[in-house]
Amino acid sequence: GAVVSQHPSRVICKSGTSVKIECRSLDFQATTMFWYRQFPKQSLMLMATSNEGSKATYEQGVEKDKFLINHASLTLSTLTVTSAHPEDSSFYICSARERGDTEAFFGQGTRLTVV
Amino acid sequence: GENVEQHPSTLSVQEGDSAVIKCTYSDSASNYFPWYKQELGKRPQLIIDIRSNVGEKKDQRIAVTLNKTAKHFSLHITETQPEDSAVYFCAASRGGGNKLTFGTGTQLKVEL
Repeated sequence: GAVVSQHPSRVICKSGTSVKIECRSLDFQATTMFWYRQFPKQSLMLMATSNEGSKATYEQGVEKDKFLINHASLTLSTLTVTSAHPEDSSFYICSARERGDTEAFFGQGTRLTVV
Repeated sequence: GENVEQHPSTLSVQEGDSAVIKCTYSDSASNYFPWYKQELGKRPQLIIDIRSNVGEKKDQRIAVTLNKTAKHFSLHITETQPEDSAVYFCAASRGGGNKLTFGTGTQLKVEL
């Protein structure tokens, strides 16, 4: 299957700082990328959908000014958690789909801890 | 929007037994139903998927059935092994690049 690489895999940051997470499709062009958040022992909750070259579509309840998503190229999307607080600590996972293909390939996830 | 319910939340079986996980969805326009296996701290891995034009699909010990009329689909794992222990998620989508809506997950434990 296709490969999606997500970095970093773990990050610890101080309250009030910003953290950027990268999601790259290594061997295909991802016209659509998705960002999820997963709390321990819970399901994947979609935060936003990003299409290359256009603004992300955020799910209800997700603050777009806090979770900045950029999808500047067909192989890269970034999620920036701005002014992070301890309640933002979570597992963030991206997934990517190629145009016309419904299978979603997931990155390995980023464990964010805000102290 | 789509709502996916998944049962049971936990499932414990003896090695060699079968395991069945069931999901229901609400959006009649959904036509793509994947199942993912997620081990602790790892990414979800697609194990099988089914599209709405078929009622059943099988891949070795894993099978998925779909009842579009009732809007439910199920995952069947036969001859379970300890390495099948993980969290399993069902999902539904309208396909064509549309977003996936995930079920709440099932923690499967295969005991020796």
